[in-house]
Amino acid sequence: AQSVTQPDIHITVSEGASLELRCNYSYGATPYLFWYVQSPGQGLQLLLKYFSGDTLVQGIKGFEAEFKRSQSSFNLRKPSVHWSDAAEYFCAVGVRSNDYKLSFGAGTTVTVRA
Amino acid sequence: DAGVIQSPRHEVTEMGQEVTLRCKPISGHDYLFWYRQTMMRGLELLIYFNNNVPIDDSGMPEDRFSAKMPNASFSTLKIQPSEPRDSAVYFCASSGVTLKAFFGQGTRLTVV
Repeated sequence: AQSVTQPDIHITVSEGASLELRCNYSYGATPYLFWYVQSPGQGLQLLLKYFSGDTLVQGIKGFEAEFKRSQSSFNLRKPSVHWSDAAEYFCAVGVRSNDYKLSFGAGTTVTVRA
Repeated sequence: DAGVIQSPRHEVTEMGQEVTLRCKPISGHDYLFWYRQTMMRGLELLIYFNNNVPIDDSGMPEDRFSAKMPNASFSTLKIQPSEPRDSAVYFCASSGVTLKAFFGQGTRLTVV
């Protein structure tokens, strides 16, 4: 069965500091990987995706993520966090054989302190 | 395109009443997904459609839940009768050939 794990429920980071959010997946097939962000009271917005090719992908809002097949990971990073980055972040995985329907991790809440 | 449009944004209803949530996907997208988000269970896929046909409804919690997609531009999720444990935020999402799922802003349902 497919699964997505986000080990960190909550992360607090200072404004201007770097941020890394972890995501691990368990799939038998090559997955398609996504990171979404959800601000309070809002829907989910796609930050970036990985389908194939370069394992370091760039997204919106200065985020990037690296796919590491050997570690079954797709960690999200941002070099310098802004207060507006406070939100909940979801890692999601889809596989072609399953119609690409997404399985989501439990989410990581990011708090940014001044 | 205005994105995925859901209505209503908020719904408060009494236990036992019928609730209908609506979704307009992005034009041209051939996949439509209904998700439920709760604190306890996170984001759960309830059902999804491909070209208006329900493909997998294994996530629908009970027979009280039903979903339809009568045409490519409209889908409904109905709960009848509603119960307090159905209180959650319900999201609709659509995707096309790019495989990127775009989400609506959600409907916050409260059943009292």
